[in-house]
Amino acid sequence: SQKIEQNSEALNIQEGKTATLTCNYTNYSPAYLQWYRQDPGRGPVFLLLIRENEKEKRKERLKVTFDTTLKQSLFHITASQPADSATYLCALDPSGTYKYIFGTGTRLKVLA
Amino acid sequence: DTAVSQTPKYLVTQMGNDKSIKCEQNLGHDTMYWYKQDSKKFLKIMFSYNNKELIINETVPNRFSPKSPDKAHLNLHINSLELGDSAVYFCASSNRWETQYFGPGTRLLVL
Repeated sequence: SQKIEQNSEALNIQEGKTATLTCNYTNYSPAYLQWYRQDPGRGPVFLLLIRENEKEKRKERLKVTFDTTLKQSLFHITASQPADSATYLCALDPSGTYKYIFGTGTRLKVLA
Repeated sequence: DTAVSQTPKYLVTQMGNDKSIKCEQNLGHDTMYWYKQDSKKFLKIMFSYNNKELIINETVPNRFSPKSPDKAHLNLHINSLELGDSAVYFCASSNRWETQYFGPGTRLLVL
């Protein structure tokens, strides 16, 4: 079946370290992939979008890579802080028809 | 200014009742969506409207009926509520192939 999987349900790391989250998909050839952050009790908030012809995208301490051969995107948070603790979701629109599919999410906890 | 707003924020109701959730966006976007997030936090698209026209209608029971009176509003009416309808419902909006802006969610609990 068509789906998106994110590496682990929960990830704990020490403050200051780099967090790496994985998003794997099957049976799709998306033109772009998005990453969102969701805090408890709130709606997802957009972080980054990477297109199929882009290998890497950066925004402040965030970096996203997109490997269309491996069908995988990696999301990195460098110099992580406790305030980065949240659930991170990847999403894609497989056919460019607004029918977004979200990943299962990774709950990141940055320990002080 | 609130970009995407939803009302109500919480909704507790009995099985068999009919309820509505309202959504409004002030971003000037053409496309609006309804998502359901279940107890396992999995976010799944239900409906999408583009310029008031329904373009996505996922395998959702026909007890759920969306309605878009204009580009800035998308409402969700649910008939004969069931226990399994308990979830958080998110409204979102976007322009073509751009990022989605989500509302704060409506927490529905069916007793």
